[in-house]
Amino acid sequence: DAGITQSPRYKITETGRQVTLMCHQTWSHSYMFWYRQDLGHGLRLIYYSAAADITDKGEVPDGYVVSRSKTENFPLTLESATRSQTSVYFCASSVDTSYEQYFGPGTRLTVT
Amino acid sequence: QQQVKQSPQSLIVQKGGIPIINCAYENTAFDYFPWYQQFPGKGPALLIAIRPDVSEKKEGRFTISFNKSAKQFSLHIMDSQPGDSATYFCAALNAGNNRKLIWGLGTSLGVNP
Repeated sequence: DAGITQSPRYKITETGRQVTLMCHQTWSHSYMFWYRQDLGHGLRLIYYSAAADITDKGEVPDGYVVSRSKTENFPLTLESATRSQTSVYFCASSVDTSYEQYFGPGTRLTVT
Repeated sequence: QQQVKQSPQSLIVQKGGIPIINCAYENTAFDYFPWYQQFPGKGPALLIAIRPDVSEKKEGRFTISFNKSAKQFSLHIMDSQPGDSATYFCAALNAGNNRKLIWGLGTSLGVNP
């Protein structure tokens, strides 16, 4: 039972490059979320999705793009990475009948 | 602006002590208040949650106290253990707002042996 996985776990990229962070869940949860975690800022919601093909902006969406063609996958793309996007990114999912969010292990992204 | 204010930022207690972490909110439409626990290198995990229709909820050594009139809620950890050393986040949600959790900034808890 894999649960929710993220890949890669660590990524170093250069300013201006496009990078995609992957999130996969095996539970068929309807809701999925992308957060970034930075010291002093806690967890900030980037995008979320209520179902396949339904996405909406969170608190800090600028510079990010998401898609959700399949229920189990929710990739996050940084179109042109900037140093301010250096962070730890967490994906989470939630079933319809509960507000509990299940988090993945995170991706540590460094933009040089 | 921060809608959920969490304090203290960090806390150290001795084993067996009772650390208390506090959160305050402004939006009276919030109707779900969870606490998440995060260990280094891991994602947060739900610890305990409460709805505003009850004033207290216990799960094992963890208790949430909720004061609706003061718009405050707190986490108490009874008989704290070194394994409880982690970062704790409070959050709040308005069920009519698409599952968007509003997070506190976190409290780093250390429990000395």
